[in-house]
Amino acid sequence: NAGVMQNPRHLVRRRGQEARLRCSPMKGHSHVYWYRQLPEEGLKFMVYLQKENIIDESGMPKERFSAEFPKEGPSILRIQQVVRGDSAAYFCASSLLAGGNSYEQYFGPGTRLTVT
Amino acid sequence: AQTVTQSQPEMSVQEAETVTLSCTYDTSESNYYLFWYKQPPSRQMILVIRQEAYKQQNATENRFSVNFQKAAKSFSLKISDSQLGDTAMYFCAFMKTGNTGKLIFGQGTTLQVKP
Repeated sequence: NAGVMQNPRHLVRRRGQEARLRCSPMKGHSHVYWYRQLPEEGLKFMVYLQKENIIDESGMPKERFSAEFPKEGPSILRIQQVVRGDSAAYFCASSLLAGGNSYEQYFGPGTRLTVT
Repeated sequence: AQTVTQSQPEMSVQEAETVTLSCTYDTSESNYYLFWYKQPPSRQMILVIRQEAYKQQNATENRFSVNFQKAAKSFSLKISDSQLGDTAMYFCAFMKTGNTGKLIFGQGTTLQVKP
């Protein structure tokens, strides 16, 4: 069973460009979470999605950031007009359920975004 | 709001010895989960151990065990017989029960296992 897949692993963008980060959850998992890790810091929650629904976006910056998890295909985290402060590692995690006995989140390898 | 605090930015231990990493948290919830994640230099986040708050018995996974003190809101990780492969950053994390799924992480502790 393949784990959580993220691509690209490394992404370099110039200021003002758009960044698209992709996440394919583990097979059978319908809950996806995005986290951001700034250098030398812990992971910070950004958004929680189920198929076609945003459940909790309390950690998402109000502007330039958006996320989706369509019925078919991977979850996408989109950052428009990137700035240097967006440089970070972005991790995706998935879980079978959001509560109960299958709440464990399995993480992908992350996408390291560098804005030049 | 919940917060997680790891007060030890860096620690080191000799191979084969035991080390304890500290974590405290603040919450008004009575039911929740606690986790320790390991992040080696590859940056892959790996779940080490989990604890359900309603369980009084401390969780153990091979060489890893926790000391869960609910009243004190403390959740420390003990690594026995440390191995070089344990060198990593360790994060303590909190999750409310219910349909939230949001993990709240501490700042992390960098552990260096020395030969």
